Amino acid sequence: EPEVTQTPSHQVTQMGQEVILRCVPISNHLYFYWYRQILGQKVEFLVSFYNNEISEKSEIFDDQFSVERPDGSNFTLKIRSTKLEDSAMYFCASSEQGGETQYFGPGTRLLVL
Amino acid sequence: EDQVTQSPEALRLQEGESSSLNCSYTVSGLRGLFWYRQDPGKGPEFLFTLYSAGEEKEKERLKATLTKKESFLHITAPKPEDSATYLCAVQDSGGYQKVTFGTGTKLQVIP
Repeated sequence: EPEVTQTPSHQVTQMGQEVILRCVPISNHLYFYWYRQILGQKVEFLVSFYNNEISEKSEIFDDQFSVERPDGSNFTLKIRSTKLEDSAMYFCASSEQGGETQYFGPGTRLLVL
Repeated sequence: EDQVTQSPEALRLQEGESSSLNCSYTVSGLRGLFWYRQDPGKGPEFLFTLYSAGEEKEKERLKATLTKKESFLHITAPKPEDSATYLCAVQDSGGYQKVTFGTGTKLQVIP
């Protein structure tokens, strides 16, 4: 069964450093997403991406964040200068179309020290 | 703004003891309501999508139902392996792709 994969599973970084989280969406899906979940809190939407551009973003997704599809399979989330409050699980998701079920990856646990 | 409220926050059941989880939602127009299962430290695992009031979906011991204001996830004769957090989420029909999640119900099934 096709699934979304994410790397790395864990990332520890120092405050102010840049991190790149990677995702491989399901191959025939056209819409890609990033969500985050701070420990003990709900899953929160960050951004959606379609046709090589951002289609929607939340207030959380400020100038420190960027997304990219560098090739035909990968989808990345970059945090330019990490803050302590960026510590969270980051989930990538994908869907065939915009209004359809989103399938989530296993997540990357980011810890900012 | 879309809102999703789940109750109870936590539920402890004996193996075989059936129960229901509630999800109340507020959206300007519903495109879809989703149920996911989340195990500790893992990503949400898709269970069901419901699109319109009156719709029902079933999978093994789980059955999801939808009204205009809420959804229920019914668990029949649960087993310990059903222990997880169950997440409800909605997508607005206003042309947006984001999914708004509730805080979840943490289910523990005791053998």
